[in-house]
Amino acid sequence: GIQVEQSPPDLILQEGANSTLRCNFSDSVNNLQWFHQNPWGQLINLFYIPSGTKQNGRLSATTVATERYSLLYISSSQTTDSGVYFCAVAGGKKSSGDKLTFGTGTRLAVRP
Amino acid sequence: DGGITQSPKYLFRKEGQNVTLSCEQNLNHDAMYWYRQDPGQGLRLIYYSQIVNDFQKGDIAEGYSVSREKKESFPLTVTSAQKNPTAFYLCASSGQSGNTIYFGEGSWLTVV
Repeated sequence: GIQVEQSPPDLILQEGANSTLRCNFSDSVNNLQWFHQNPWGQLINLFYIPSGTKQNGRLSATTVATERYSLLYISSSQTTDSGVYFCAVAGGKKSSGDKLTFGTGTRLAVRP
Repeated sequence: DGGITQSPKYLFRKEGQNVTLSCEQNLNHDAMYWYRQDPGQGLRLIYYSQIVNDFQKGDIAEGYSVSREKKESFPLTVTSAQKNPTAFYLCASSGQSGNTIYFGEGSWLTVV
């Protein structure tokens, strides 16, 4: 199956700083999503982005499908951005549905 | 409110007992999923269902069972055959293939 690697595994930021999180995947994908898991375990979908670039407020994401990576940008970080960020992908035959494979995540701590 | 409801939030089980986790969604989504998350790890797919009365095994289906008798409901049974059931369990749903996936708030299962 598809392998998903995320980097860095851990990241500590001062409030107001910018950061870039990376997701590498081993095969072509037809589905790529970024999630934020808060300290209570709730997973929130940030972006559905199998290719191209999207922006939502202070967050933006870019997927370069031909080079098999995606980037999540966080600008002007806030303490509420803390948590774990997951990249998840699905690929291969459409008949496999959306069997998302998750990376192991980037744990972000934003200090006031 | 529209969303995915999981219950119970916390559950303790004695070894040798089966336990069923509930997942209900009112988003009119066709596809539903069960994931398992261990501390500090990513999510792993247990089972998924793309349509009523049909479901497929994910990557770690051994020791688990599911049913999909109604579009809104996708309960997960953790059987006594599951060797290490203590984990955080997350239910999710999505609309048409390729759409954004949404998660419930999760259920914490502890075997005592």
